Amino acid sequence: GENVEQHPSTLSVQEGDSAVIKCTYSDSASNYFPWYKQELGKGPQLIIDIRSNVGEKKDQRIAVTLNKTAKHFSLHITETQPEDSAVYFCAAKPFSGNTGKLIFGQGTTLQVKP
Amino acid sequence: NAGVTQTPKFQVLKTGQSMTLQCAQDMNHEYMSWYRQDPGMGLRLIHYSVGAGITDQGEVPNGYNVSRSTTEDFPLRLLSAAPSQTSVYFCASSYRSRGPNTEAFFGQGTRLTVV
Repeated sequence: GENVEQHPSTLSVQEGDSAVIKCTYSDSASNYFPWYKQELGKGPQLIIDIRSNVGEKKDQRIAVTLNKTAKHFSLHITETQPEDSAVYFCAAKPFSGNTGKLIFGQGTTLQVKP
Repeated sequence: NAGVTQTPKFQVLKTGQSMTLQCAQDMNHEYMSWYRQDPGMGLRLIHYSVGAGITDQGEVPNGYNVSRSTTEDFPLRLLSAAPSQTSVYFCASSYRSRGPNTEAFFGQGTRLTVV
């Protein structure tokens, strides 16, 4: 079935360093890959996304890269700040008739130390 | 706009009890979904709906029922609660787009404990 694997499960960095979170997906027909950030006690919120026909996308300190051949995509956060501390989820949208369905990874808890 | 509203925020149930988790959205989104979040397992899809009157099963549907009588509401029913259903539940909604982009908007979650 459809599956998304996310690594690492926890990541601790010093403020100002970069953080990278990696995901792999099983359904080669997946066509949309969003990343969500979840702060303590809140629901996940979209921070960046990428479509299957694009290799890289940037938004200020955040970037996402996609390798369709290898079926993996990554989130890169540069110049990390304490407010970046949160749980991050990757997701993949299976090509299943545009249902809005998303398959999520296991999540990465990012801690940015001041 | 309130976005996606979930009630209650916290609930404790005894094994065997039933209850309904409420979810309402005011963005006129066609798609709605229920996820459960457990440590180390991410967000797993329970049920989803592509519009009023249409629902389908996700990865972990057993023990849960849903219905979608209106565009706005998508309640999740636990028929006979079990300790394995202790989790944080999230409702999400998204609009139907022409392309694959489909940002999901999440509620604040319901923390359910079954004793």
